[in-house]
Amino acid sequence: DIQMTQSPSSLSASIGDRVTITCRASQSITRYVNWYQQKPGKAPNLLIYAASNLQGGVPSRFSGGGSGTDFTLTISSLQPEDFATYYCQQSYSIPYTFGQGTKLEI
Amino acid sequence: QVQLQQWGAGLLKPSETLSLTCGVSGASFSSTAYCTWIRQSPGKGLEWIGKINNSGSVHYNPSLKSRATISVDTSKNQFSLKVTPVTAADTAVYFCAREVLRGVRFSFDLWGQGTLVTVSS
Repeated sequence: DIQMTQSPSSLSASIGDRVTITCRASQSITRYVNWYQQKPGKAPNLLIYAASNLQGGVPSRFSGGGSGTDFTLTISSLQPEDFATYYCQQSYSIPYTFGQGTKLEI
Repeated sequence: QVQLQQWGAGLLKPSETLSLTCGVSGASFSSTAYCTWIRQSPGKGLEWIGKINNSGSVHYNPSLKSRATISVDTSKNQFSLKVTPVTAADTAVYFCAREVLRGVRFSFDLWGQGTLVTVSS
């Protein structure tokens, strides 16, 4: 199975900050990574697909990048509703696997 | 607007069968979409269980060691997950999600509300 490792595991930031979360795959997955946001008690919500494509309805302050084994999710200017847990997920091969999550806190 | 609604028993004893259903309302899945099952537990995070499409093409995570069965009832627009026998390690929140093809790979763009399943004697 492909292992997905996120860093950091938790992150403290303030409104208006620019933050970047990284995700490293245990082997090359070209650009087949998706990013999700999850709030407590809710299902994950798709933010970015295929490394850098913004899902419809997602604010443009979210962006993704990377290829091969190293990927990033960047939030350009944190808003109050962005404090949540973020997960990367590889869709390169079955079984699909997720990172362990990054909890973004105020 | 397509929505996923899931239901099933939330409290099981070890060795029993977990049975969950995911109903699709608003439209049917396209021929390239799958219904996928994912679970989330504090110890193992998010774990992909398997997926099925309207044609019955199914894929499983080998980690469940053949205990999982995913099926589809196209007449009712419903997908089902069974896991047997369950142990305490199967305690988790279970989600169904729509897996759509974007370019040449998939992503989970629509999710059910989640069902907490607890396995305890």
